[in-house]
Amino acid sequence: GQQLNQSPQSMFIQEGEDVSMNCTSSSIFNTWLWYKQDPGEGPVLLIALYKAGELTSNGRLTAQFGITRKDSFLNISASIPSDVGIYFCAGQNSGAGSYQLTFGKGTKLSVIP
Amino acid sequence: DTGVSQDPRHKITKRGQNVTFRCDPISEHNRLYWYRQTLGQGPEFLTYFQNEAQLEKSRLLSNRFSAERPKGSFSTLEIQRTEQGDSAMYLCASSPRDPRGYEQYFGPGTRLTVT
Repeated sequence: GQQLNQSPQSMFIQEGEDVSMNCTSSSIFNTWLWYKQDPGEGPVLLIALYKAGELTSNGRLTAQFGITRKDSFLNISASIPSDVGIYFCAGQNSGAGSYQLTFGKGTKLSVIP
Repeated sequence: DTGVSQDPRHKITKRGQNVTFRCDPISEHNRLYWYRQTLGQGPEFLTYFQNEAQLEKSRLLSNRFSAERPKGSFSTLEIQRTEQGDSAMYLCASSPRDPRGYEQYFGPGTRLTVT
């Protein structure tokens, strides 16, 4: 089955620093999504990407759909304490007629004030 | 707030008991999904509905699990004869009609503990 490798697994950064995380797949996806999850809550959709090479921003967040369609990247600029949480990438292969999402294991972000 | 809602938020049950969870999707979203998430992992797909039709089921969905969406609005997920391995967070999501049909919006989840 499809597997998503997300890295890093965790990171500690100083407030104000920029953050980069990425996700790679063993197979092609047609859609990439990035979510943030706080403890005890459901994932919150941050950014959706639909085309290879696409670069999309949402405030301080920027995500890119890799040209090979097997990877995606998320950058957070000027981190703040409320950025703390677990960030998940998720891929979808709509070409197979499926709407299910395959998730990575997450990147746990800690921000030191 | 008109997001996805789930009930209950927490459920503690004894092994062998049956449990049922409810999900109310965002109004006018035609697709509804169920996922399961265990500690340290990302959500894993269980099943999804388009309107009232159940169109896809994961092999994770054993015959003890059944999901319904009888009127194409809310959905229920039932687990029969619960086992300790069923302990997890059960997440529901919904998505709007195309072209944004791939954007899935999650509810807060139901945390199940089987003792």
